[in-house]
Amino acid sequence: RKEVEQDPGPFNVPEGATVAFNCTYSNSASQSFFWYRQDCRKEPKLLMSVYSSGNEDGRFTAQLNRASQYISLLIRDSKLSDSATYLCVVIDTGRRALTFGSGTRLQVQP
Amino acid sequence: GAGVSQSPSNKVTEKGKDVELRCDPISGHTALYWYRQSLGQGLEFLIYFQGNSAPDKSGLPSDRFSAERTGGSVSTLTIQRTQQEDSAVYLCASSLHPSAGGSNTQYFGPGTRLTVL
Repeated sequence: RKEVEQDPGPFNVPEGATVAFNCTYSNSASQSFFWYRQDCRKEPKLLMSVYSSGNEDGRFTAQLNRASQYISLLIRDSKLSDSATYLCVVIDTGRRALTFGSGTRLQVQP
Repeated sequence: GAGVSQSPSNKVTEKGKDVELRCDPISGHTALYWYRQSLGQGLEFLIYFQGNSAPDKSGLPSDRFSAERTGGSVSTLTIQRTQQEDSAVYLCASSLHPSAGGSNTQYFGPGTRLTVL
């Protein structure tokens, strides 16, 4: 079983739609959680950290459920520019490196 | 420079040759990481440097892979006797602090695309 699992998609949604991605992680001792965004043939860039209390940044909302070991990302009012691959990322206790999911591809269509 | 830089941006080599990939982290960042991303795959951790501490090499796939970081800044990833399965994008990242808390934001370089023929 992969340490971090994501639905690869693609998710094809129209502009203005709301879309949600989930991610599950296997290590219950995982400590920190992030969503990164990766555009085609570009490096990953931090989108947002994920906190237990949930956090929001504009149209983006991230949630963490430690009991069920999953993380979610909600994007409201999708824009064409949101088209990218969204990577779920976990840092395990005692490690420093990021463990990445394989990513969920989002395609927002006009 | 403002961000992490890597060179070369693209490298094509023949099977069996050695290659060196370079990473210049953001100035002042104490932690440096190497990852690789194969086509259509997620990122795979390779090695981590933090200050003068011994590096975490737990992600290196074989003894053909090695890395060093001189003077706590620039890092070089070396792959000896390259194989076709080594073809991937090699990404370097740096962060200001090594803590595993939420403040540990890793900034990635643009990567080196390695193709082994």
